[in-house]
Amino acid sequence: DAGITQSPRYKITETGRQVTLMCHQTWSHSYMFWYRQDLGHGLRLIYYSAAADITDKGEVPDGYVVSRSKTENFPLTLESATRSQTSVYFCASCGPAVSEAFFGQGTRLTVV
Amino acid sequence: GESVGLHLPTLSVQEGDNSIINCAYSNSASDYFIWYKQESGKGPQFIIDIRSNMDKRQGQRVTVLLNKTVKHLSLQIAATQPGDSAVYFCAGSQGNLIFGKGTKLSVKP
Repeated sequence: DAGITQSPRYKITETGRQVTLMCHQTWSHSYMFWYRQDLGHGLRLIYYSAAADITDKGEVPDGYVVSRSKTENFPLTLESATRSQTSVYFCASCGPAVSEAFFGQGTRLTVV
Repeated sequence: GESVGLHLPTLSVQEGDNSIINCAYSNSASDYFIWYKQESGKGPQFIIDIRSNMDKRQGQRVTVLLNKTVKHLSLQIAATQPGDSAVYFCAGSQGNLIFGKGTKLSVKP
């Protein structure tokens, strides 16, 4: 199916565990983004990527790692999850104009 | 650093009235300014954008105004409908895409 998909939709993990959130898009968009959304903070940019093998830090990158070996995939890894990383995570992609971004359905992550 | 924020956290309007949602920004280097709509339980959805060298852009029932002098962006929704109830975010892009905190629009029948 065409579009952008995130997996899993829901995840509960323990403090200290490594967890990877997946994002896959089928449009061959050059840009991909990871955001976290918390009450009172809106959407905060974690990392973004302008193309395969190119990634940049966003507003809140600490505690997260990304990679982009293929244009269509942009996984986000929490190397050692903390309770403060409990959030809803959104992945998005867009073309080179970086304007009309398409968002996935989100991953609700709970760290206990 | 770059920041994009909104003046009001909530806005309540009567069905059929026009809505105006405001946004202030600090980074004049943004290439685009964009408005997104987010319904409960869903990801944000693109509404309309405006290039930084433009003052006004119209879409279907929506108009975005950009005032670079005071670094202000607004979204006007004509004849607001119940389906317009959502959280609205402004965003600025300069390679990245930075969002403000959002305004929750409630439409009263």
